[in-house]
Amino acid sequence: QSVLTQPPSASGTPGQRVTISCSGSSSNIGSNYVYWYQQLPGTAPKLLIYRNNQRPSGVPDRFSGSKSGTSASLAISGLRSEDEADYYCAAWDDSLSGHVFGTGTKVTVL
Amino acid sequence: QLQLQESGPGLVKPSETLSLTCTVSGGSISSSSYYWGWIRQPPGKGLEWIGSIYYSGSTYYNPSLKSRVTISVDTSKNQFSLKLSSVTAADTAVYYCARAKGYDWFDPWGQGTLVTVSS
Repeated sequence: QSVLTQPPSASGTPGQRVTISCSGSSSNIGSNYVYWYQQLPGTAPKLLIYRNNQRPSGVPDRFSGSKSGTSASLAISGLRSEDEADYYCAAWDDSLSGHVFGTGTKVTVL
Repeated sequence: QLQLQESGPGLVKPSETLSLTCTVSGGSISSSSYYWGWIRQPPGKGLEWIGSIYYSGSTYYNPSLKSRVTISVDTSKNQFSLKLSSVTAADTAVYYCARAKGYDWFDPWGQGTLVTVSS
């Protein structure tokens, strides 16, 4: 029951820039912060971006987040093979009074 | 650094209750400003938040699961637990525990534990 919509896949060659979109509504992205998680194959999700565009310590500045209205984006610049993973957006939803996640995007490095 | 570890049965029969525990190490579960949450991921699918608890016992749950979920905390053991009743095959998933910054982000996460619902 994902409330936030992401494209199922995205791809690029090493060094390219890849952008992932996350579409929500006024009750979630439109009025709250957006977060991004990276899930490498066979591992637990890891916080990648918090409060729309902030990077936790240790996250490369190749990763950047932005938000506009009821949508958000994650950009990966200088794509590397180790970036091949599933990426999820997330936000608080005021209507549900709970956390909601995106449908997830699989990034493939060609 | 803070670490979380899920534990519990890997196989549960349909209609029974799924029970998992998350043990927190490297920090106190009684830290202010932090909630403790459960998130699950069915095989090959996306993430679904189940619910969260504060060290005082205050909880909030996903409305779609609320009637079947109970999350509790044991501060003396630095643990919090999940109970999901009347399970079906649709509850088969990897269950993760994580620390939540208030109503904000989840970080860090436990490694996850696969729970299969089958007779």
